[in-house]
Amino acid sequence: ETGVTQSPTHLIKTRGQQVTLRCSSQSGHNTVSWYQQALGQGPQFIFQYYREEENGRGNFPPRFSGLQFPNYSSELNVNALELDDSALYLCASSSLTGDTEAFFGQGTRLTVV
Amino acid sequence: KQEVTQIPAALSVPEGENLVLNCSFTDSAIYNLQWFRQDPGKGLTSLLLIQSSQREQTSGRLNASLDKSSGRSTLYIAASQPGDSATYLCAVIFSDYGQNFVFGPGTRLSVLP
Repeated sequence: ETGVTQSPTHLIKTRGQQVTLRCSSQSGHNTVSWYQQALGQGPQFIFQYYREEENGRGNFPPRFSGLQFPNYSSELNVNALELDDSALYLCASSSLTGDTEAFFGQGTRLTVV
Repeated sequence: KQEVTQIPAALSVPEGENLVLNCSFTDSAIYNLQWFRQDPGKGLTSLLLIQSSQREQTSGRLNASLDKSSGRSTLYIAASQPGDSATYLCAVIFSDYGQNFVFGPGTRLSVLP
């Protein structure tokens, strides 16, 4: 069991709506990264937050945005939802240096209808 | 573009067999490599982390090796059990690509009783 918790576990939204996903970080970690995993594929990097600032971004449009709070927890916000946004969203807690294991939460399954 | 591939895509073996999962990556300049396990619809469980300066890591029945020069890592599972059935993901942090994982597509393992 890791100390990384994601909420909610499942979510159904309508196309065009907005959604916020949440993630707590592991104690001792200062970096949170978000990934999108489509069915049958490996996770794809969305962005990373370190000390409340975005510290790298993958190939995702600006309607994917995030926040990191002083306690290192994080939010992922997606605006103007599209059907293709349906996926498992994973957050990872780590140290910025990457010299220790990264730990993932259990994921949020988002379905856009 | 940095890429990670995994073969085979799926593997089915009888209980008790020793098996090897393969991971290849496009650039030898890596920071570290981590193997994860994913049960259906769940988050990722960290199995082993190998730093770029290391050649292998062991945990219980699992052994992971790293050969940066050939761009390969292998995950060896000894005496497989039905509980090992899951998807195994290889993830690489490349040195010049930001502090985020690039994931392979995974190997889906079924261990038959």
